[in-house]
Amino acid sequence: EDKVVQSPLSLVVHEGDTVTLNCSYEVTNFRSLLWYKQEKKAPTFLFMLTSSGIEKKSGRLSSILDKKELFSILNITATQTGDSAIYLCAVHSGGSNYKLTFGKGTLLTVNP
Amino acid sequence: NAGVTQTPKFRVLKTGQSMTLLCAQDMNHEYMYWYRQDPGMGLRLIHYSVGEGTTAKGEVPDGYNVSRLKKQNFLLGLESAAPSQTSVYFCASRDTGAGNQPQHFGDGTRLSIL
Repeated sequence: EDKVVQSPLSLVVHEGDTVTLNCSYEVTNFRSLLWYKQEKKAPTFLFMLTSSGIEKKSGRLSSILDKKELFSILNITATQTGDSAIYLCAVHSGGSNYKLTFGKGTLLTVNP
Repeated sequence: NAGVTQTPKFRVLKTGQSMTLLCAQDMNHEYMYWYRQDPGMGLRLIHYSVGEGTTAKGEVPDGYNVSRLKKQNFLLGLESAAPSQTSVYFCASRDTGAGNQPQHFGDGTRLSIL
C-alpha cells in the first residue's frame, strides 16, 4: 500500500521566520511528487518534482526531492501571514490510472 | 476560465437520503477524481475515471457510486447517506499530455449528514 507521511502536522511561526516542511513516501513505481497549498477551499498546485536534487523555486517557496532517501522538503523563507494554510504533499504512482496518494498535510500558521 | 466546478457547495442531508454531487470541467481532461477530506485524514480517493464511460474504485469507495457519461462531467452519488459520510468532497481533473501533469481541484462540497 502506498504511503505518504508529512511532518510536522502543525507549525506556528512568526512573520519573517523560515520554515521547512517534510514529506517522506513509500510507493510502487514512483512518477512524481507534488506540493499543494490549501487555504479555505481548493488545493492549489505549487510544485511537481520528478528528478532528484533539482530544486524548484517560486518566489519565497522552494522544494527539492531526494529519490534515494524517498523524501522531499518544502522551504518557505521570510514567511508572511498569507502563507498560513495547509500544505499537502502527494505522490503520483505509476500504472495506467495515475492516482495521487496524499499525506495528511501540515497546518502552517504564521502570526504577525 | 472556470476550470473545475462543483455543485452544490453545501448540503445537509438526513440519514438514508440520497443525493448526487456534480463535477464539471472545461479543460477537456481525460482523468477525473473524487476525494473526501476529513480532519486529520488528508485527502482520500473515493473513485476515479480515466475516460468517458469508465470508472474505478479508489481507497474508500464503499457507500458511493459514480458515473462518467460525458467527458466533462463526473457524478458522485450517495444512495443512502450515513453520518460517517459527513465530509468535504473534492473533485479533480488531470490532463494526459506528455509527461506528468498535476491534478486541478474544484472548490469542494461540504456535506453534512444528520
